[in-house]
Amino acid sequence: DTAVSQTPKYLVTQMGNDKSIKCEQNLGHDTMYWYKQDSKKFLKIMFSYNNKELIINETVPNRFSPKSPDKAHLNLHINSLELGDSAVYFCASSQGTSGSPDTQYFGPGTRLTVL
Amino acid sequence: AQTVTQSQPEMSVQEAETVTLSCTYDTSESNYYLFWYKQPPSRQMILVIRQEAYKQQNATENRFSVNFQKAAKSFSLKISDSQLGDTAMYFCAFMKGNTGTASKLTFGTGTRLQVTL
Repeated sequence: DTAVSQTPKYLVTQMGNDKSIKCEQNLGHDTMYWYKQDSKKFLKIMFSYNNKELIINETVPNRFSPKSPDKAHLNLHINSLELGDSAVYFCASSQGTSGSPDTQYFGPGTRLTVL
Repeated sequence: AQTVTQSQPEMSVQEAETVTLSCTYDTSESNYYLFWYKQPPSRQMILVIRQEAYKQQNATENRFSVNFQKAAKSFSLKISDSQLGDTAMYFCAFMKGNTGTASKLTFGTGTRLQVTL
């Protein structure tokens, strides 16, 4: 069974379109994250939710809107896609516990290509 | 703000040999955790090993071990008996402790390791 899954794995779209990436975890974790990996392989946090509540919101354009319908799901919606949005987007989850290493487990990534 | 530096963009090692990947970090925090993640060509991010800053003992996981030098803010990864399947990008990452319910990972720029026959 896949612990953290993302759909789709690949997404090719035109500039200006709106698209969504879905993430689901079956680990029973309370916290979920979105990271962006750019063309130079650099990974950076975008958002984090704990039990449907937004906890971390880095300086991300407001064209990006995360949505967490329940604690097992965290979707990423992107409006008015731009060329610079092309990247690999990773979802991750963790138990959400303080006082111990809150190890994050990653999904397989979604490669978004904006033409 | 925390920074993580991996000064070796690429490394190569022969199968069965030992290789060490370097990582240094900068922080004013006293409570934190350090991680190494592996990203093979499949793109999946896989946890290799983690270290709690308050522990003096270096973490080990089978063929993987770390050399954690807290005063020097250094966290290197040693891979023993390298295997072809170890070919991947390796990322060092930092996490603050006691941040509540969500802790972001701050990543280094990665080291691409190639294991050759």
